This record gives sequence, C-alpha cells and structure tokens, in this order.
Amino acid sequence: EVQLVESGGDLVQPGGSLRLSCAASGFTFSTYWMSWVRQAPGKGLEWVANIRQDGSEKYYVDSVKGRFTISRDNAKNSLYLQMNSLRAEDTAVYYCARSLRGFPGYYYFDYWGQGALVTVSS
Amino acid sequence: DIQMTQSPSTLSAFVGDRVTITCRASQSIGSWLAWYQQKPGKAPKLLIYKASTLENGVQSRFSGSGSGTEFTLTISSLQPDDFATYHCQQYNTDSHTFGQGTKLEIK
Repeated sequence: EVQLVESGGDLVQPGGSLRLSCAASGFTFSTYWMSWVRQAPGKGLEWVANIRQDGSEKYYVDSVKGRFTISRDNAKNSLYLQMNSLRAEDTAVYYCARSLRGFPGYYYFDYWGQGALVTVSS
Repeated sequence: DIQMTQSPSTLSAFVGDRVTITCRASQSIGSWLAWYQQKPGKAPKLLIYKASTLENGVQSRFSGSGSGTEFTLTISSLQPDDFATYHCQQYNTDSHTFGQGTKLEIK
C-alpha cells in the first residue's frame, strides 16, 4: 500500500524557516517524480514544487522561487521542503504527492499524504 | 499562466441525481486534465486523468470528458459518499494549475 506521511508543520513567525519531511513507503520511491502541493485555508490547491527521481531537476512556482528548496533522499525514501523567508501567504496545508508524467512532461498526482499545516504568523 | 475555472462553485443535489461539473481552461490544454475528490480534512484523491481515463479503483459512476478548453466531470447517480469538493488540474504547462474547486452538497 502506498503511503506518504508528512511531518514538520508548525507555527512560525514571518521571515522564519521550516523544513517539511515526507516519508514514503509501499512503492519504489526512487523511480518517481515527487511534488509538494499546498492548500491555503478555505482555498484551492496550488502546486509548489517538484523534483526528478535522481534530484537533478527541480521546478518551483514563481511565488516560492529563491525561498523554498525541494530535495529528496532516496536511501531514506524521503522528500523534503526547506522553506525560508516565510510569509503570511505561505500559510497552508502542505501535501506531498507522487507525480505521474503526462505527455508534455508535466505531472498529475496519484497519491497524496495527509498534509502538514504550516502557519506563518506573529 | 493558464487559468482554470470551475463551475458551479457550489452544487446542491439529491442522492441518485446525475450531476455535471465543468472546468474551463484559459487556453488549450489538449487532454491533459485530471480530476480529484477531496473530503473535509482529507487529502485529495485522484479520480480521472487525461480528461477521461478512470483511475484504478474509482467507481464507474464517475466519468470525464472534453478536450482543448472545456471539460466535464459527471457523476451518473450520486451516492452519499460522493458529497465532497472536486478539483480539476491541468498538466499541459509547468504551472500545474488547479481550479478553485466545486463543493457538492446534499440537498
């Protein structure tokens, strides 16, 4: 059974940093692209970042470029999101998601974790 | 960036009804569209990908259609478990944009 379990969500002050983790099991983690998707309170879903199987390619939504870093450790079956210079508008539930490729090289998401809540507030 | 617009934002229906949710893209995305179901406090669940392909294990009362800029998700006979929020998502460009969601409520 595919499982994705996020951790690391917390309350953090504006300008602060936080690292989210996602532990994967039930599939061969190293063979899949992985993504982070977030959902602000009462809002829709927003793709945040994704990473290639070997970590050699990483892509981000414009609003987090230069502040967030996605990474992975295939030996530990884990995905990470390092979030720096956090803003109030980053407040959201952050989901890790296994990503499947469409023809043009972009992705949809077939398995999701339960989410980690990040609250940015003073 | 491609914008995805769902309609309606909220839909009230009875158990047994046939319902249709529409998702419109601001430019053509071919058939690169997925639909997800999300229940309160839970992660989204993939229902349909490539506009009309049913994900393994998803009930056959769910179906998707469309291409280009207009897409629909149809539930042929609503069951109590189907009352949830539904999201569309394009994967034709690197923005991987989602619609704002359609909340399906019991009438």
